[in-house]
Amino acid sequence: EIVMTQSPATLSVSPGERATLSCRASQSVSSNLAWYQQKPGQAPRLLIYGASTRATGIPARFSGSGSGTEFTLTISSLQSEDFAVYYCQQYNNWPPSATFGQGTKLEIK
Amino acid sequence: QVQLVESGGGLVKPGGSLRLSCAASGFTFSDYYMSWIRQAPGKGLEWVSYISSSGSTIYYADSVKGRFTISRDNAKNSLYLQMNSLRAEDTAVYYCARSVVGANLLVQYWGQGTLVTVSS
Repeated sequence: EIVMTQSPATLSVSPGERATLSCRASQSVSSNLAWYQQKPGQAPRLLIYGASTRATGIPARFSGSGSGTEFTLTISSLQSEDFAVYYCQQYNNWPPSATFGQGTKLEIK
Repeated sequence: QVQLVESGGGLVKPGGSLRLSCAASGFTFSDYYMSWIRQAPGKGLEWVSYISSSGSTIYYADSVKGRFTISRDNAKNSLYLQMNSLRAEDTAVYYCARSVVGANLLVQYWGQGTLVTVSS
């Protein structure tokens, strides 16, 4: 099983500043990497897929990068609504494989 | 708009059974892979099971294999999860999820979730 490891577990950042979240895969997942945002009491929301493509309706301040085993989610200027938990996920059609990272909690500094 | 509405959660004793349902609307249900994903209280996300658009391909996480059965009824636009031999560690919010065409395990839409609590 491919293990996804996110860091840090908690990130404290001030509104208006940049946040950088990391995700590492235990083996190459090519660009089959997604990022989700989850707020308390809500279902996750797809932000980024294919490592760097924003999902429909996602603001341009969210960007993803990386390939292989190292990935980054960057939020360029944090808004109040961005404070949430972020999960990365690798996905592969064949052989079928999908695992999530343990999450990074982005909190207000 | 795409809507996924789960039902069937509740409190069940260890060893018991429960059947979750997901009613889908706003898209052509028979075109998409569907999945169940769960989240234990205060924990992260775990893929439970997925089923192909026709129902011919099914996957289960090792943690539920042999106990859970996923199915779908394309005529009723519905997804199901039959859960047997439930354990305390199955306690979680269970989400119904729709994938992206061509990326079977990439979730584009999620339901609001239904809580399953396994406790005596």
